[in-house]
Amino acid sequence: GIQVEQSPPDLILQEGANSTLRCNFSDSVNNLQWFHQNPWGQLINLFYIPSGTKQNGRLSATTVATERYSLLYISSSQTTDSGVYFCAVPADRGSTLGRLYFGRGTQLTVWP
Amino acid sequence: DVKVTQSSRYLVKRTGEKVFLECVQDMDHENMFWYRQDPGLGLRLIYFSYDVKMKEKGDIPEGYSVSREKKERFSLILESASTNQTSMYLCASKLEIQYYGYTFGSGTRLTVV
Repeated sequence: GIQVEQSPPDLILQEGANSTLRCNFSDSVNNLQWFHQNPWGQLINLFYIPSGTKQNGRLSATTVATERYSLLYISSSQTTDSGVYFCAVPADRGSTLGRLYFGRGTQLTVWP
Repeated sequence: DVKVTQSSRYLVKRTGEKVFLECVQDMDHENMFWYRQDPGLGLRLIYFSYDVKMKEKGDIPEGYSVSREKKERFSLILESASTNQTSMYLCASKLEIQYYGYTFGSGTRLTVV
């Protein structure tokens, strides 16, 4: 299956700092998603980003599919940004069955 | 407005017990998934279902089975629980026609002693 690698594995920030999380994948994909898991375990979808750049408030994401990577930018980080950030790619290209391969995640801790 | 509900937040079971983890969604989603999350390993797919009574193995199906008798309910079954099945279990669902739009439950942390 497709290998998904995330870096860094851990990130500690002071509130207000900016950060960039990276996701590399081993094969061409037709879409990529970023998720955030809060400290209580709830996972929510942040971005569906097959290519290009999207922004949602202080978060933005860029996927360069031809070079097999995606970046998640967090600006002016807040303590509520803490948690684990996952990227995921489909196991079945072109299918909407929905099987995903997840990376191992980046654990982000934001201190006040 | 909880949309994917997992029946238990924490569960402690004994080795050898048959364990049922229940997941219910109220969004009329066709696709449902069971993932297992272990520290440092991310999420790994156990089983998924794309329709009632239809199921497919994921990447780590050994020791597990599933049941989907109704569209809204997807059950994960540990036939004979073992200590290496101690983990966080996450259920998710989405519409069949979309690549995105996953909704996750809040997870069940299972400990097998």
